[in-house]
Amino acid sequence: GAVVSQHPSRVICKSGTSVKIECRSLDFQATTMFWYRQFPKQSLMLMATSNEGSKATYEQGVEKDKFLINHASLTLSTLTVTSAHPEDSSFYICSAKNPSGVLEQYFGPGTRLTVT
Amino acid sequence: DAKTTQPNSMESNEEEPVHLPCNHSTISGTDYIHWYRQLPSQGPEYVIHGLTSNVNNRMASLAIAEDRKSSTLILHRATLRDAAVYYCILTGSGGGADGLTFGKGTHLIIQP
Repeated sequence: GAVVSQHPSRVICKSGTSVKIECRSLDFQATTMFWYRQFPKQSLMLMATSNEGSKATYEQGVEKDKFLINHASLTLSTLTVTSAHPEDSSFYICSAKNPSGVLEQYFGPGTRLTVT
Repeated sequence: DAKTTQPNSMESNEEEPVHLPCNHSTISGTDYIHWYRQLPSQGPEYVIHGLTSNVNNRMASLAIAEDRKSSTLILHRATLRDAAVYYCILTGSGGGADGLTFGKGTHLIIQP
């Protein structure tokens, strides 16, 4: 089956610094990837849709200048949290569309971000 | 997006079948019914999807009511590894082409 990886799996950073999270499709090409955020004991919330070669589409309420998304290749999308603050601490998860159809999404294992 | 309603939690015994219900009374004619599950501290995992007919795969079965206003995910023989949050999600005919809208899901507890 299609595999999506994320790196790092866990990161701790100081308030005010920036953190980059990578999402890779390992055995397929993903023209579209999605980024979600999940706070403790809550459900996943879609943040943005990342399209290869074009600008990301952000959900309402998500600051595009704070959460920079780059999808420069068919196998890699990156999410950069700029000037991170403690309230950005969360579980960030990416997903990609099933390349052989449009009905399933494959999710990465997630990245736990802690901002101190 | 049409909304789904699931029980907050359910408990079952290991090696017994589990029936997880989902109500989606405002489903439209072209909406697909998807189920994903999320194990603790992991990303969600696709389980199954269907449109009108019941579906089976190696993980589970999906039973869809005739009026499509409800569905049931069936785990035929639960194991401890099936303990997870199960999400019932409706998507348009584009399916995974759009980002998914997750509800609160059902927290499935499996007792040994």
